[in-house]
Amino acid sequence: AQSVTQLGSHVSVSEGALVLLRCNYSSSVPPYLFWYVQYPNQGLQLLLKYTSAATLVKGINGFEAEFKKSETSFHLTKPSAHMSDAAEYFCAVSDHNYGQNFVFGPGTRLSVLP
Amino acid sequence: EADIYQTPRYLVIGTGKKITLECSQTMGHDKMYWYQQDPGMELHLIHYSYGVNSTEKGDLSSESTVSRIRTEHFPLTLESARPSHTSQYLCASSVLSGGASNEQFFGPGTRLTVL
Repeated sequence: AQSVTQLGSHVSVSEGALVLLRCNYSSSVPPYLFWYVQYPNQGLQLLLKYTSAATLVKGINGFEAEFKKSETSFHLTKPSAHMSDAAEYFCAVSDHNYGQNFVFGPGTRLSVLP
Repeated sequence: EADIYQTPRYLVIGTGKKITLECSQTMGHDKMYWYQQDPGMELHLIHYSYGVNSTEKGDLSSESTVSRIRTEHFPLTLESARPSHTSQYLCASSVLSGGASNEQFFGPGTRLTVL
């Protein structure tokens, strides 16, 4: 069975600082990996996804994530935080079996301090 | 424009009422999902469907029921709402594919409050 852990339920950074949100996964097969963002009172929006092509994936709003198989990690980064980045971020893992096992992590709340 | 819609966005209702939360998508996706999410908390899958006339229960037990009579429509019904049902309900859809295109697309959610 697949699983996702996100270290840190709440991360605070200063505006302009580096954003690093951690995601580790467990999967018996090469996974597909996703990062979603959720703003208050909204649904989830896809930020980026790893599809077994390039290990460094660029997404929307200046975010990127790097797939590291040896570390079973898919951490999300952004060089410079903006106030508008404050939101909840979810990492998710899926197998290749018609999305049978699509699992979300518990989420990390990002706060951006002025 | 291809999208996924949920109505109502907010609903406040008394205990014992029957409610139906609507979800429709115009992307032609076969697979659809319902998640329950308390504010600031993780998502819990409560129902999903592979296509017309297919409904499955998710990981979290729920007193709600769903139906899938049309590909684009996946309503969720509570026969008798209780305060414990107060939560946000998120609908999502995806293609039924073995590839990475099985990413899920989400609606804006319905925030339900049962008094």
